[in-house]
Amino acid sequence: DTAVSQTPKYLVTQMGNDKSIKCEQNLGHDTMYWYKQDSKKFLKIMFSYNNKELIINETVPNRFSPKSPDKAHLNLHINSLELGDSAVYFCASSRPRDAIGTEAFFGQGTRLTVV
Amino acid sequence: GIQVEQSPPDLILQEGANSTLRCNFSDSVNNLQWFHQNPWGQLINLFYIPSGTKQNGRLSATTVATERYSLLYISSSQTTDSGVYFCAVDKGIAALIFGKGTTLSVSS
Repeated sequence: DTAVSQTPKYLVTQMGNDKSIKCEQNLGHDTMYWYKQDSKKFLKIMFSYNNKELIINETVPNRFSPKSPDKAHLNLHINSLELGDSAVYFCASSRPRDAIGTEAFFGQGTRLTVV
Repeated sequence: GIQVEQSPPDLILQEGANSTLRCNFSDSVNNLQWFHQNPWGQLINLFYIPSGTKQNGRLSATTVATERYSLLYISSSQTTDSGVYFCAVDKGIAALIFGKGTTLSVSS
């Protein structure tokens, strides 16, 4: 059973196009995230949603718009794609582990290549 | 913001060797996780360890929260251990801050 699943796994598109990446989790977690991994493998938070509400929006161009139709889904839509958007995008969800900590689980990633 | 530093950045081992990876963080944290990113790009959870010591097979981890560091031990390394090991912390903002990782290469 896949816990956090993303589609597609690979996405190749031309500059200027609009694309979406879908994410679904079947773990029953309340919080979901999008992270970006750049060409040097550095992972950085983009967005965080809790119970469909946006709680973190890092310095991300407004061409990136997350959408959470329900607790189990968090999609990422990207408008007017640019070469610099090429990266691996990871979806994640998290559960509370104790009074203050949470444990995150990641999808398999979507490798986006903009040509 | 909180800084997460991992060392060494690269590590090359022969199969069967042991290794220790270190993660230093600049402030108190609510959460610390270790991940392995395998050569296929998957991020695999290794440990949730904001404090204390845990073991899972050939891997173990220790976090000394008061001194702001965590160690990941890999014993009897195998070629399947190759990949990038990430330490990530959460200071209660409900998002992980990642270190730059340690790239491990194990050869037979």
